[in-house]
Amino acid sequence: DAGITQSPRHKVTETGTPVTLRCHQTENHRYMYWYRQDPGHGLRLIHYSYGVKDTDKGEVSDGYSVSRSKTEDFLLTLESATSSQTSVYFCAVTNGGEQYFGPGTRLTVT
Amino acid sequence: DQQVKQNSPSLSVQEGRISILNCDYTNSMFDYFLWYKKYPAEGPTFLISISSIKDKNEDGRFTVFLNKSAKHLSLHIVPSQPGDSAVYFCAASGNFGNEKLTFGTGTRLTIIP
Repeated sequence: DAGITQSPRHKVTETGTPVTLRCHQTENHRYMYWYRQDPGHGLRLIHYSYGVKDTDKGEVSDGYSVSRSKTEDFLLTLESATSSQTSVYFCAVTNGGEQYFGPGTRLTVT
Repeated sequence: DQQVKQNSPSLSVQEGRISILNCDYTNSMFDYFLWYKKYPAEGPTFLISISSIKDKNEDGRFTVFLNKSAKHLSLHIVPSQPGDSAVYFCAASGNFGNEKLTFGTGTRLTIIP
């Protein structure tokens, strides 16, 4: 347990609505990541952060934005949710080497 | 372009026998490799890792082998136990882990009692 919580754990939303997922960590990890997991694709990196206000895109960043105003919080926003963004979203942290994952958020876009 | 490949979506093994999960990669810049285990409705958990300066790393029942010339790694679990039933993901990164991870698509391991 790397002190990671994600909220909400489950969410159902309608197409076109904005959605924000939160990742909170308590152990002062420098790097934070957002992944999505889909059948047949494994885990794919959406965005990551290497410090407060320092973020960069991953391989599937279209339709997503992130913010990190405090070390402990990393927010993932879907500006206008689409059905293709139905997925399980995982946050991860590291100080280098292995990453440690949160419990996930299951998002359904109807 | 799938840089990390797990070509077996599923594997069934009898309890007590050896489980061997395979992973291939294409990017020669990868120098740090990891295995994660995932149960349903939980986040992936780190299992074992290996850097490119080694060809084997062992931790209890789990051993990871790295063949750099073949760009292949494998995870051996012996003896296999029912609690090992899970999805296993292979991952790779550069700069000895100080870069983003690239994951494979996963292998679902089922241990048959």
